[in-house]
Amino acid sequence: KAGVTQTPRYLIKTRGQQVTLSCSPISGHRSVSWYQQTPGQGLQFLFEYFSETQRNKGNFPGRFSGRQFSNSRSEMNVSTLELGDSALYLCASSSTGSEQPQHFGDGTRLSIL
Amino acid sequence: QKEVEQDPGPLSVPEGAIVSLNCTYSNSAFQYFMWYRQYSRKGPELLMYTYSSGNKEDGRFTAQVDKSSKYISLFIRDSQPSDSATYLCAMSRGGGANNLFFGTGTRLTVIP
Repeated sequence: KAGVTQTPRYLIKTRGQQVTLSCSPISGHRSVSWYQQTPGQGLQFLFEYFSETQRNKGNFPGRFSGRQFSNSRSEMNVSTLELGDSALYLCASSSTGSEQPQHFGDGTRLSIL
Repeated sequence: QKEVEQDPGPLSVPEGAIVSLNCTYSNSAFQYFMWYRQYSRKGPELLMYTYSSGNKEDGRFTAQVDKSSKYISLFIRDSQPSDSATYLCAMSRGGGANNLFFGTGTRLTVIP
């Protein structure tokens, strides 16, 4: 069974630009969550989607948004990029998102110049 | 106080040693406990998943949960250089991904 796939693997952007990241979950998984990972803060929860609906949201500004499609694939968008947005963005999928464990992709490394 | 505390290390051990990695937590509602392994430039890989207290063994890996002490451990027997990675603990009370909390990770190096 294929794992979680994230594209692109690396991105370089400048301040003020926007970016869209993509995630394809494990087949059959309906929950997709996004995390930001930085050396100082570790893994921080951004949001979770289940059956095309945002089910939960972390403490990030409105510049961070996402959506999920009917095939469970998900996209995350960050607008008006700031230097502090440089991080590894991880997508994880789960069959239900609650009691079942998260399975992660290899992430998108976003660098802001 | 953070929900989950994990010693960041780094931890260096000789090949063949037994490694003990630990996390403590403050929320007694946590019921689901996980250990992830993360190699450089990769995403976290699920190693162990346990529910409630007790032990779980998978090959060279053993996960222990002590809910009375709010303490979880991962033991690696006969450690190998390929075990060199960052190990993250995670725990949840269920009810959605927003209820999943991660430790900051312990960087382990196994020296040949």
